[in-house]
Amino acid sequence: ETGVTQTPRHLVMGMTNKKSLKCEQHLGHNAMYWYKQSAKKPLELMFVYNFKEQTENNSVPSRFSPECPNSSHLFLHLHTLQPEDSALYLCASSPASNEKLFFGSGTQLSVL
Amino acid sequence: DAKTTQPTSMDCAEGRAANLPCNHSTISGNEYVYWYRQIHSQGPQYIIHGLKNNETNEMASLIITEDRKSSTLILPHATLRDTAVYYCIVRPIYNQGGKLIFGQGTELSVKP
Repeated sequence: ETGVTQTPRHLVMGMTNKKSLKCEQHLGHNAMYWYKQSAKKPLELMFVYNFKEQTENNSVPSRFSPECPNSSHLFLHLHTLQPEDSALYLCASSPASNEKLFFGSGTQLSVL
Repeated sequence: DAKTTQPTSMDCAEGRAANLPCNHSTISGNEYVYWYRQIHSQGPQYIIHGLKNNETNEMASLIITEDRKSSTLILPHATLRDTAVYYCIVRPIYNQGGKLIFGQGTELSVKP
């Protein structure tokens, strides 16, 4: 147990659906991250939040919309996704942006 | 960020030491070497990191060559549960933005 909880663990959605992924940490960390891991590919950084402020957007399409209401919660809102967006979405947190990351178990997303 | 090169896969007998190499020939003086691993269907897990000196913790040992151009992660007594993909990552000390760039890693298979 890393202290970073992601829900749901699995999600199947159609291309016209709207869904949200949730990430929660009670480690007192100030930085939170979204990563994407497609099959047979390295992890790709999507977004970084420091003290609730977005500090990194790695050229992510607008159909992915992050939200960080406080330092403990991070959301990834999804709308009009494509089948190629099917992947494992991982959330992580760290005490500060230059320290080691703690990852959640991820949400396995399938877009039909 | 400096790039790393790792073997694609390795095998290790259970109970033996697993030695995972990593080349980072373009590393600069203000960059750490980090190691993470990812067990199937889980998020990456931090193992260890170092700058110049060798490091040891409850999980592993990290040996960094004197010129810092390569390193070796050592799992002293590998178990079946150590089967995972191991990532060697070079990261700036002052990592503003929190970027952690993952490569393909080494797939370690521990066999009975």
